[in-house]
Amino acid sequence: NAGVTQTPKFRVLKTGQSMTLLCAQDMNHEYMYWYRQDPGMGLRLIHYSVGEGTTAKGEVPDGYNVSRLKKQNFLLGLESAAPSQTSVYFCASSPNNYEQYFGPGTRLTVT
Amino acid sequence: DQQVKQNSPSLSVQEGRISILNCDYTNSMFDYFLWYKKYPAEGPTFLISISSIKDKNEDGRFTVFLNKSAKHLSLHIVPSQPGDSAVYFCAASEGGNNDMRFGAGTRLTVKP
Repeated sequence: NAGVTQTPKFRVLKTGQSMTLLCAQDMNHEYMYWYRQDPGMGLRLIHYSVGEGTTAKGEVPDGYNVSRLKKQNFLLGLESAAPSQTSVYFCASSPNNYEQYFGPGTRLTVT
Repeated sequence: DQQVKQNSPSLSVQEGRISILNCDYTNSMFDYFLWYKKYPAEGPTFLISISSIKDKNEDGRFTVFLNKSAKHLSLHIVPSQPGDSAVYFCAASEGGNNDMRFGAGTRLTVKP
């Protein structure tokens, strides 16, 4: 069992570029989440999904889009990256919407 | 607005002693609380949780205490071990909804 994996681990973007972060889980969990972690602020929820084909906004959704076409994958897209989106991004999944299992994170820098 | 606060950014304790990490929250509708542990370059891992119907939950060396009237919870680690050195996040949710709120974390260092 790989658990939750994230691709890529690191990425540097120029302002205005786009990219997609991939999250995959092999635990057959219904719930999946994308968070960002910034210094001194803890984790903040960007978007989440309660099942295949569903997505919803979290606390800080602006500038991001998501898709969950398959139960095991949850994609996070940045259409036009901004320096304010420099952060560490964590994906998580959960069987019950309580305990969450996190991936190792993606460190994104936007210059 | 930060609804979950961990006011101590860091804590240092001696191996074998007790570590007490604190967390305060402002939303009285929160009814489920969790602690996560995070090592560098890894994602957070779930440690222990407590429902608002309880005031204590124990799992081995880890105990979480909940004081609803004070909107305060704490994590006790006894005895502390060097391998416990990590950042600890407190989290809270309301009715199992999807918007779990996290504190900023406390970095625990356990010295041999």
